[in-house]
Amino acid sequence: GAVVSQHPSRVICKSGTSVKIECRSLDFQATTMFWYRQFPKKSLMLMATSNEGSKATYEQGVEKDKFLINHASLTLSTLTVTSAHPEDSSFYICSAWGGVQAYNEQFFGPGTRLTVL
Amino acid sequence: AQSVTQLDSHVSVSEGTPVLLRCNYSSSYSPSLFWYVQHPNKGLQLLLKYTSAATLVKGINGFEAEFKKSETSFHLTKPSAHMSDAAEYFCVVSDGNQFYFGTGTSLTVIP
Repeated sequence: GAVVSQHPSRVICKSGTSVKIECRSLDFQATTMFWYRQFPKKSLMLMATSNEGSKATYEQGVEKDKFLINHASLTLSTLTVTSAHPEDSSFYICSAWGGVQAYNEQFFGPGTRLTVL
Repeated sequence: AQSVTQLDSHVSVSEGTPVLLRCNYSSSYSPSLFWYVQHPNKGLQLLLKYTSAATLVKGINGFEAEFKKSETSFHLTKPSAHMSDAAEYFCVVSDGNQFYFGTGTSLTVIP
């Protein structure tokens, strides 16, 4: 299957700083990328869906000004947590989807553990 | 509307015994169905998927699942559990545009 990478795998930052997480599809073109947040021992919560070249679609309750998503190319999407606070500490996972005609499955990145002090 | 229900939040089995993780779905369309596994602090790995071909789907690591339209189920099974199977398992349904996750089943394997 296809490979999706995330960087960094783990980040610790001070409250008030911004953190950028990169998600790359390494060997296929992802028309859509998804960003999820996962709390301990919980399922994945979809935060937003982004299509290359257009604005991300955020799920209800997710602050678009706080979680900035950029999907500038078919292989790269970034999530920036702006002015991070301790309650933003979580496991963030991205996935890439090539569409129904290409694999028709999501390929997940390994996740990024964010800890805000 | 699509939804997924994983009937058991936690399953515990002895090593070498069968595994059954249950998943029921509701979908207005012919769905695609997936099972993913997640080990602690790791991303999700696809175990298997159903996309309107054979109803019995074989996946990696000895797992398989059967799509039963009449029962709207897609239960995951394995004949013999291994210690390395201990993880969180997610059932996912897709209508081709969105993916809907179940709440997950935590599998414990007792030596």
